[in-house]
Amino acid sequence: AQSVAQPEDQVNVAEGNPLTVKCTYSVSGNPYLFWYVQYPNRGLQFLLKYITGDNLVKGSYGFEAEFNKSQTSFHLKKPSALVSDSALYFCAVRDIWDTDKLIFGTGTRLQVFP
Amino acid sequence: GAGVSQSPSNKVTEKGKDVELRCDPISGHTALYWYRQSLGQGLEFLIYFQGNSAPDKSGLPSDRFSAERTGGSVSTLTIQRTQQEDSAVYLCASSLPGSSYEQYFGPGTRLTVT
Repeated sequence: AQSVAQPEDQVNVAEGNPLTVKCTYSVSGNPYLFWYVQYPNRGLQFLLKYITGDNLVKGSYGFEAEFNKSQTSFHLKKPSALVSDSALYFCAVRDIWDTDKLIFGTGTRLQVFP
Repeated sequence: GAGVSQSPSNKVTEKGKDVELRCDPISGHTALYWYRQSLGQGLEFLIYFQGNSAPDKSGLPSDRFSAERTGGSVSTLTIQRTQQEDSAVYLCASSLPGSSYEQYFGPGTRLTVT
């Protein structure tokens, strides 16, 4: 079965510092991995995806993610955090064996302090 | 262009009543998904529509839940005889067909059953 894990419920970082939000995956076959962000009382916004190709994927709002096959990880990163990045972040894997639905991690709340 | 829209944004209903939630996907997106976001269960898949094919209902939690998609576009999720455990945010997403395409989410409908 496809699954993702986000080991941290919350990540705190000072504005201007680099941030990392962790995600590990377990899949059968090739992984199709996604990151979404959710601001308060809003739906999920797509940030970036890994399908194939370069292990470093660049996405919206200056975010990037590094796909690491040997560590089965897909960590979200940003070189310099902004207070406005504070939100709930979800890692997800596409279940290519069943409807292509997204299977989500439990989410990580990112808090960026001024 | 226009994104995924959902209505109503908020719905408060009494236990035992029926509710209908509406989703209007992005034009041209043949795949449509319903998810539910709740505190105890996180983000969970409910139902999937692809074009004119029969929907995949494997995620529906009980037979009180049903959904339809008319004309390959607008979808309605119906919950009959609502229970308090149905209280959640119901999210709709649409995408182009295929595992490599990201899903775009609507703002959600927050359902509260009193």
